[in-house]
Amino acid sequence: EPEVTQTPSHQVTQMGQEVILRCVPISNHLYFYWYRQILGQKVEFLVSFYNNEISEKSEIFDDQFSVERPDGSNFTLKIRSTKLEDSAMYFCASSATGTPNEKLFFGSGTQLSVL
Amino acid sequence: AQSVAQPEDQVNVAEGNPLTVKCTYSVSGNPYLFWYVQYPNRGLQFLLKYITGDNLVKGSYGFEAEFNKSQTSFHLKKPSALVSDSALYFCAVRDTYTGGFKTIFGAGTRLFVKA
Repeated sequence: EPEVTQTPSHQVTQMGQEVILRCVPISNHLYFYWYRQILGQKVEFLVSFYNNEISEKSEIFDDQFSVERPDGSNFTLKIRSTKLEDSAMYFCASSATGTPNEKLFFGSGTQLSVL
Repeated sequence: AQSVAQPEDQVNVAEGNPLTVKCTYSVSGNPYLFWYVQYPNRGLQFLLKYITGDNLVKGSYGFEAEFNKSQTSFHLKKPSALVSDSALYFCAVRDTYTGGFKTIFGAGTRLFVKA
């Protein structure tokens, strides 16, 4: 089965630093997503992206966050000035058409630790 | 607002015994319901979904789930557990009424199957 790949698997950064988390969605998929999971808590929706623009975002996704599809394969999440509370596992996902009954394909995640 | 509750942090079952992982949901309209599984160091993987029709849905690896509209539940079941079923299980919902692009996840239930 095709896979979503994420790099790096672990990222350690100092508070206030910028981080970029990278994802390669499945090649023929059109909708891309970022989710995060703080240890022991729910998997939380951050943002969805289609046709080179944000289609929906949560209240978590404030001005410190941005997403980009810089080329035909990569999808990135940037956190401009990291806070301690940004420490979490970040999952990228993709889907073919974005319809509500469609399953999501997830990457294995990036564990972000902000010190 | 959409929400998902998984009341058990962990479920323990002996190999060969039936297992149930509980999930209840809240949506404005009709739900699309999903179960995903996460193995160590892997992303979430789709198990099964309920869209409409038969309340008993069959999915991957012998799992099934029963949709109960009156109880707003979508419990995951398997008649005979395997040690290899030990993993983290997430229930998820999308609301057909509010639309949007986000899938709402529960906090996850860790299944431990003992040999």
